[in-house]
Parts: sequence; C-alpha cells; structure tokens
Amino acid sequence: DVKVTQSSRYLVKRTGEKVFLECVQDMDHENMFWYRQDPGLGLRLIYFSYDVKMKEKGDIPEGYSVSREKKERFSLILESASTNQTSMYLCASSSTRQGSEAFFGQGTRLTVV
Amino acid sequence: EDKVVQSPLSLVVHEGDTVTLNCSYEVTNFRSLLWYKQEKKAPTFLFMLTSSGIEKKSGRLSSILDKKELFSILNITATQTGDSAIYLCAALNTGFQKLVFGTGTRLLVSP
Repeated sequence: DVKVTQSSRYLVKRTGEKVFLECVQDMDHENMFWYRQDPGLGLRLIYFSYDVKMKEKGDIPEGYSVSREKKERFSLILESASTNQTSMYLCASSSTRQGSEAFFGQGTRLTVV
Repeated sequence: EDKVVQSPLSLVVHEGDTVTLNCSYEVTNFRSLLWYKQEKKAPTFLFMLTSSGIEKKSGRLSSILDKKELFSILNITATQTGDSAIYLCAALNTGFQKLVFGTGTRLLVSP
C-alpha cells in the first residue's frame, strides 16, 4: 500500500518561530509537492521538487522554503511563522511516469498563535 | 495564469438523488484532469481523464472530459451519506507535472 506520511497531524506554534513540516514517501516517486488548503481557496501550491536537491516555486512561495536532501523526504520550512500561515498543509508525491496520479499525506493542521 | 474553476461551491442533496459536479480549466500544456474525494483528511484519488469523450466509471461515480470545451463533470448517482465530502478537481500539466486545483465542491448528502 502506497504511503505518504507527514510528521504531525496537528501543530501549534508561536509567531516568529521556525517551523519544520516533514513529509516522507515510500513509493520512490520523483516528484514531491507542498500545498496549503484554506476554506474558499482550495489547494494552492507552495513549492515542488522533481528531483533530489531540486526545487521550484509554486504559486505562493513567500514566507516558505523547502529542502530535499533525499529522494523520499521533502521538508517545508516556515522561517518565521506568522498568523496568516495558519492552515492545513498537504504533502503529495507522484511519479514522472505518464498517467500517474498524485498521492497525498494525511495533512498537518498548523495553528500559529 | 493556469486556472481551474469548480461549481457549485457547495451542494446539499437528499439520499438517492443524482448530482453533477462541474470543473472547467484553462491550463497551458494540459495533460490530464483528475478528480479527488476529500473527507476529513487526505484527498483520495477517484479518476484521471486524459482523452475526450471517454467516460470513466467506478460504481455509482462516473466522469467525462471535454477537451474542446475545457471542462469535466463528475456524476454521482443514488447518493449516500458516505458520499458527503469535498470533491476536488485538478488539472495536470506536462513537464513538471504540477497539479492545479480548483476550490472544490462541498457535497452534503442528508438522510
């Protein structure tokens, strides 16, 4: 059974803290993605990576950075958390093989107070 | 800018009703259209549509793509309370295979 695992289901952090969200996949997928999901706005792409050490900005990268040192792991970093980063964060992975859908992790609900 | 628009935003129906969810897209280098169902946690994959006019079916759910008019529909017949969820539509492009999502349709099926 394919699996994308996010390190935390729920997280509460203070404004200004550095926050790490971790995502691990066991499917040997090349592509990995970080989305945030907010009511009325759907899923918006923050960053994605198509190979180890490679990263591309998505639609809303401001205030975030990412790291992909190993193929199976993709980390999202909030350098200095702010209240407007309170959201549901979803990690996904996919293969570059044609016809391959993206598989999602269970999500991390981050609250910044 | 790539865009996916879903309608309606939300819908309340009674068990047994048939519903149609809509998804239109404007995406450069379009490859496929995907539908996901999201209950309390991770979106789960329903369908991937790449060719126009070919219906994909899974039980009471079916979906079709029109690449000329740039839209897709998801049909659910004989709805059940377990169909209550957010239904997400996403367009997949070629190249980096980014998924561009719509805002989703929140479906509530009442007993």
